[in-house]
Amino acid sequence: KQEVTQIPAALSVPEGENLVLNCSFTDSAIYNLQWFRQDPGKGLTSLLLIQSSQREQTSGRLNASLDKSSGRSTLYIAASQPGDSATYLCAVRDSWGKLQFGAGTQVVVTP
Amino acid sequence: KAGVTQTPRYLIKTRGQQVTLSCSPISGHRSVSWYQQTPGQGLQFLFEYFSETQRNKGNFPGRFSGRQFSNSRSEMNVSTLELGDSALYLCASGLGTGGYGEQFFGPGTRLTVL
Repeated sequence: KQEVTQIPAALSVPEGENLVLNCSFTDSAIYNLQWFRQDPGKGLTSLLLIQSSQREQTSGRLNASLDKSSGRSTLYIAASQPGDSATYLCAVRDSWGKLQFGAGTQVVVTP
Repeated sequence: KAGVTQTPRYLIKTRGQQVTLSCSPISGHRSVSWYQQTPGQGLQFLFEYFSETQRNKGNFPGRFSGRQFSNSRSEMNVSTLELGDSALYLCASGLGTGGYGEQFFGPGTRLTVL
């Protein structure tokens, strides 16, 4: 059974610092991995999707890497801003087609 | 292009009642998935539909059911509501091969069971 873990559960950084968020999964047989952000009480906003054949994906200040063999993905957010404060979730599409979520990392960027 | 829409946004029900939630996917998306989110359990997968067929199902009791229509709109039904069913219910639609591409979520329906 695929298990997805995100450590740390919470993170606080000063504005301008780079953010590094980690996601690990137990089964390397995946279709893809997707990163989301969620603001309190709201739905999920898609940030990046990495296909299993890709090593990384970039969008603006965001960069996500994928190492399937070690079961890890990292989301980098450059030059963090207070507006980046949110919960970040990673989700893995496993070999059965199910999207398995981690518990998320709650990020606070202080001005 | 309009995003995923969910109705209603808020619901208050009492124990024992039943409820139906609706999800309209992004135009052209054929897969719709449903999730329950609670502070204690996080995001839990309920079920997924693709072209009107249930393709995957999570570990929820039979009180939770769903369906998908020919226009890809989906409904989720919960019968005999319990206090523990209070949660944010999210649906997502997807594109790509078999609908396994990027997933886009709606704003959710907040269900409170009294």
